[in-house]
Amino acid sequence: KQEVTQIPAALSVPEGENLVLNCSFTDSAIYNLQWFRQDPGKGLTSLLLIQSSQREQTSGRLNASLDKSSGRSTLYIAASQPGDSATYLCAVPSSAAGNKLTFGGGTRVLVKP
Amino acid sequence: GAVVSQHPSRVICKSGTSVKIECRSLDFQATTMFWYRQFPKQSLMLMATSNEGSKATYEQGVEKDKFLINHASLTLSTLTVTSAHPEDSSFYICSAEIGQPISGNTEAFFGQGTRLTVV
Repeated sequence: KQEVTQIPAALSVPEGENLVLNCSFTDSAIYNLQWFRQDPGKGLTSLLLIQSSQREQTSGRLNASLDKSSGRSTLYIAASQPGDSATYLCAVPSSAAGNKLTFGGGTRVLVKP
Repeated sequence: GAVVSQHPSRVICKSGTSVKIECRSLDFQATTMFWYRQFPKQSLMLMATSNEGSKATYEQGVEKDKFLINHASLTLSTLTVTSAHPEDSSFYICSAEIGQPISGNTEAFFGQGTRLTVV
């Protein structure tokens, strides 16, 4: 059974600092990994999707790496801004669960001005 | 990215009444949509998979008669919470995927969520 863990559960940084969010998964047989952002009381916004064949994916200040063999992905957010404050979730399709998404518990990020 | 629209964003209803939530894929067709429930400060819990033209498949522990799902077209799935009670109060989110569902190589897009409060 796929299990996805995100550490830390919460993170508070001053504005301008780089953010490093970690995601680990137990079954490395994944097709892809997706990072999402969720603002309070809102749905999920897709940030980045990394295919299993890729090592990293970049979008603006966001960079996500994937090490499939060790079951880890890291989301880097450069030069954080107060607007980056949100909960960040990673998710993988789980072959054991009919390819349904298995989510991590999320990392709540607060960027202080 | 693709757009999934969910309506309403908030609803308050009286105990014993039913509430319908709509989930639409605006710029793509989705033969499969997913319904999640989210409790405060927790991650998403999959409730059911909505299949166009056939019955939904429910996760273990989810009452299919309480949470009715209809996927009548390739762009619309509805979740009806029947005879709602205060314990049904929660945040409900739908998603649809683009890609190859059979292989699992898909990208998921989510609606805005619906905050249901049963009084």
